[in-house]
Amino acid sequence: AAGVIQSPRHLIKEKRETATLKCYPIPRHDTVYWYQQGPGQDPQFLISFYEKMQSDKGSIPDRFSAQQFSDYHSELNMSSLELGDSALYFCASSFRGQSTEAFFGQGTRLTVV
Amino acid sequence: DAKTTQPTSMDCAEGRAANLPCNHSTISGNEYVYWYRQIHSQGPQYIIHGLKNNETNEMASLIITEDRKSSTLILPHATLRDTAVYYCIVRVGNPGSEKLVFGKGTKLTVNP
Repeated sequence: AAGVIQSPRHLIKEKRETATLKCYPIPRHDTVYWYQQGPGQDPQFLISFYEKMQSDKGSIPDRFSAQQFSDYHSELNMSSLELGDSALYFCASSFRGQSTEAFFGQGTRLTVV
Repeated sequence: DAKTTQPTSMDCAEGRAANLPCNHSTISGNEYVYWYRQIHSQGPQYIIHGLKNNETNEMASLIITEDRKSSTLILPHATLRDTAVYYCIVRVGNPGSEKLVFGKGTKLTVNP
């Protein structure tokens, strides 16, 4: 079965650079969630989209933005990167409703040097 | 969002049942209990979820108390590959906003 696809799997950027992470949800899923997981930390919710509209917002820095496109894939744009942005970034997708499970991708490991 | 409380860590012998408890005393009537696990640096993996009835699938069983204030995830025959951090999550929200809020989780170690 198709899973959530994230690209790239690994990314190395320098401070003050920009990064774009991509997420391709499971077919027919209409909701995408982004999470950040720092070293030794639990996943922290950043932002979510439902039917291409932002539906919820967590602890996402103003330097970050995201959107969901017409084909339901999503991109997380991160600007003015800081060393503290180094983390695993996970995307998850689900089909509307809290009674349906959300599935996670394998993540993008971002390293800022 | 309702908060959950889980033991920080647990150990289990290979082949035995692993019973992971979770308290969610402030859960509301429309909130589901979800369990995920994360094997080192991999994406969280869905295990099971339920509202008020006990649930079972090929991975695990979920037992929810009648008052819904606590639940137990049961891995019937733990293997070394079940070593992971297990997260109990209470999920609520409007359609399209049902984010999963991860707490501290339980680090389960399955020993040979």
